[in-house]
Amino acid sequence: EPEVTQTPSHQVTQMGQEVILRCVPISNHLYFYWYRQILGQKVEFLVSFYNNEISEKSEIFDDQFSVERPDGSNFTLKIRSTKLEDSAMYFCASRGTSNTDTQYFGPGTRLTVL
Amino acid sequence: AQKVTQAQTEISVVEKEDVTLDCVYETRDTTYYLFWYKQPPSGELVFLIRRNSFDEQNEISGRYSWNFQKSTSSFNFTITASQVVDSAVYFCALSEHGAAGNKLTFGGGTRVLVKP
Repeated sequence: EPEVTQTPSHQVTQMGQEVILRCVPISNHLYFYWYRQILGQKVEFLVSFYNNEISEKSEIFDDQFSVERPDGSNFTLKIRSTKLEDSAMYFCASRGTSNTDTQYFGPGTRLTVL
Repeated sequence: AQKVTQAQTEISVVEKEDVTLDCVYETRDTTYYLFWYKQPPSGELVFLIRRNSFDEQNEISGRYSWNFQKSTSSFNFTITASQVVDSAVYFCALSEHGAAGNKLTFGGGTRVLVKP
């Protein structure tokens, strides 16, 4: 069964450093998402991406964040200058071609900012 | 704006008991989708069930069943004959059809602990 994959599973970085989180969505999916979950809290939407552009972003997704689909398979989230409060689990999700399709999530990347 | 509320933060049951998780949502859209996701201790988010706003028929899928009532904006989820492996955090989520990216809005989650 096709699944969303994410690398790395855990990333530790120093405050102020740039990080890139990588995702490989399900191959025939066209809509891609990033969500964040701070430890013990609910899952929060960051950004949605379709047709090589951002379709919606939350207030969390400020200028420090960017997304890219550098090739036909990867979908990345970059944080330019990490802050302590960026420590969280980051989930990538993808869905198919229709508004009615379900989003499927990757296993997540745990980001720890020291 | 869409909002999802899960009033129960934690439920503890003994194996084989039924567990019902409450979910109340708010949306201005007339077409929307409701979901339940499971987050086991390993951390991943596992899709369980989905309901479209235009279909209020309640169903059973194995040990899972759900009760969708538009009149009260509720989408409750029941695990029948719970098992230890059901121990997880369960999230209710909402997606609006008219939204640009169909983002999911999650509730705060309900932690279910099933004791042997």
